[in-house]
Amino acid sequence: EAGVAQSPRYKIIEKRQSVAFWCNPISGHATLYWYQQILGQGPKLLIQFQNNGVVDDSQLPKDRFSAERLKGVDSTLKIQPAKLEDSAVYLCASSLVAGLGDTQYFGPGTRLTVL
Amino acid sequence: AQSVTQPDIHITVSEGASLELRCNYSYGATPYLFWYVQSPGQGLQLLLKYFSGDTLVQGIKGFEAEFKRSQSSFNLRKPSVHWSDAAEYFCAVGAQSNYQLIWGAGTKLIIKP
Repeated sequence: EAGVAQSPRYKIIEKRQSVAFWCNPISGHATLYWYQQILGQGPKLLIQFQNNGVVDDSQLPKDRFSAERLKGVDSTLKIQPAKLEDSAVYLCASSLVAGLGDTQYFGPGTRLTVL
Repeated sequence: AQSVTQPDIHITVSEGASLELRCNYSYGATPYLFWYVQSPGQGLQLLLKYFSGDTLVQGIKGFEAEFKRSQSSFNLRKPSVHWSDAAEYFCAVGAQSNYQLIWGAGTKLIIKP
C-alpha cells in the first residue's frame, strides 16, 4: 500500500513570496490533516479535512494560509505571503476516518525555509 | 487545557542498553495516548497507543509503554536499543472532544556505539 505522498520535499523562498505544498493521502482515507512542525517542537495541527469539507481550521492563520481538498482526495496548502516565522516542516497525514481510534499516517513532509 | 511534557530534549544511550523516554500529560478525562517515532527524512510513524484496558502496551520494533494514571505518565521503554533506533520520539495525547492530537516537543535519541 502506497503511503502519504508530499511534494516538494524542500523549498527555499524569500519572505513575501508565495509557496504551495501538495499532498496525496493513502487511497480511501477520508480524513486529511496538515501540520506545521517548527524546529524543536512537536507538530501543530493547521487544518483537518473530512472528505472535502473542513472539520477544523482554528489554528490556520487565515490571513496568509489557505488549504483546499478538491474531490476529497489530494490537498494543497498555500502560504501567501510568507514570513520568516513560517520556516518549518509541513506535514500531511491521513486516516481512514476521523477519530482517535484510527491511526494517522504521515508523509515525509516539506521543509520550508523562508529567507 | 491538555498538554504533553517530554522532559528530556536529548538522551544518549549505548547500543544494547535499555531505554526509557519520559512523557507526562495533563488531561481532565481518560486520555488517549500515543508514541510516534520520526527518523531523519521520514514521516512520523506510530509506535503504540493506549486507549483503555491493560496499562502495559506493546508496540512495534520491540517498544512498550506503561500508562500510570497516578503519575499522569506514559513512559516508553525498550530493553535493548539498536543503532537503528536513533531518531526523535514524540508523545501525544488525544482530545476526545475533537479527536485532535496534542504533541510533546519530542526527545532526540542518540545511540553510542
